[in-house]
Amino acid sequence: QVQLVESGGGVVQPGRSLRLSCAASGFTLSSHGMHWIRQAPGKGLEWVAVIWDDESKKYYGDSVKGRFTISRDNSKNTLHLQMTGLRGEDTALYYCARVSVEVGRPYDYWGRGTLVTVSS
Amino acid sequence: DIVMTQSPDSLAVSLGERATINCKSSRSVLYSSNNKNYLAWFQQKPGQSPKLLIYWASTRESGVPDRFSGSGSGTDFTLTISSLQAEDVAIYYCQQYFSTWTFGQGTKVEIK
Repeated sequence: QVQLVESGGGVVQPGRSLRLSCAASGFTLSSHGMHWIRQAPGKGLEWVAVIWDDESKKYYGDSVKGRFTISRDNSKNTLHLQMTGLRGEDTALYYCARVSVEVGRPYDYWGRGTLVTVSS
Repeated sequence: DIVMTQSPDSLAVSLGERATINCKSSRSVLYSSNNKNYLAWFQQKPGQSPKLLIYWASTRESGVPDRFSGSGSGTDFTLTISSLQAEDVAIYYCQQYFSTWTFGQGTKVEIK
């Protein structure tokens, strides 16, 4: 069955870097666009980044543009989010989500998230 | 960027009664070439990941009970739960995917 498992979260000091991973199983990652979405503690959902299935396009939310980089390793069926210049406001649960192959049908599967805490 | 604003922020509804959540976008999310509204609704229960309920503003996701329905077009949208059940207690989010992706701030639904 389809599974998405995020990892790589933890406590990191402001200004430092962290790399998140999302391991996909039960499907071929290269067939799907993938998103990162985050949720600060007790807050709502914030879209972070997307990568097209063929990696031809990548887009980022304004709050992370220039600091975060989304990538994928199709040989390992894994999605990544490289985060640099981390700030307190980046503290959140980070979800990866799969875009459905059905046009216009977003996020048919989500992971359970990995928690990033930015604190000195 | 398109800003999504939901109302109310929270509501309490009696079991079996109707719950209505509104979502307004700062500009139209209707794509004229296919007449589709790029608007989705998600449900997030405590401690869980969000779950897709509705896409194309009114298309119910497979397996979603038919008491959930979506309506609206252009900039104004509504999610209706026709007869609230205990398991519907959750936070509901709208999201536009017309121009990048943005979520509304969420609406918390509770039992009165």
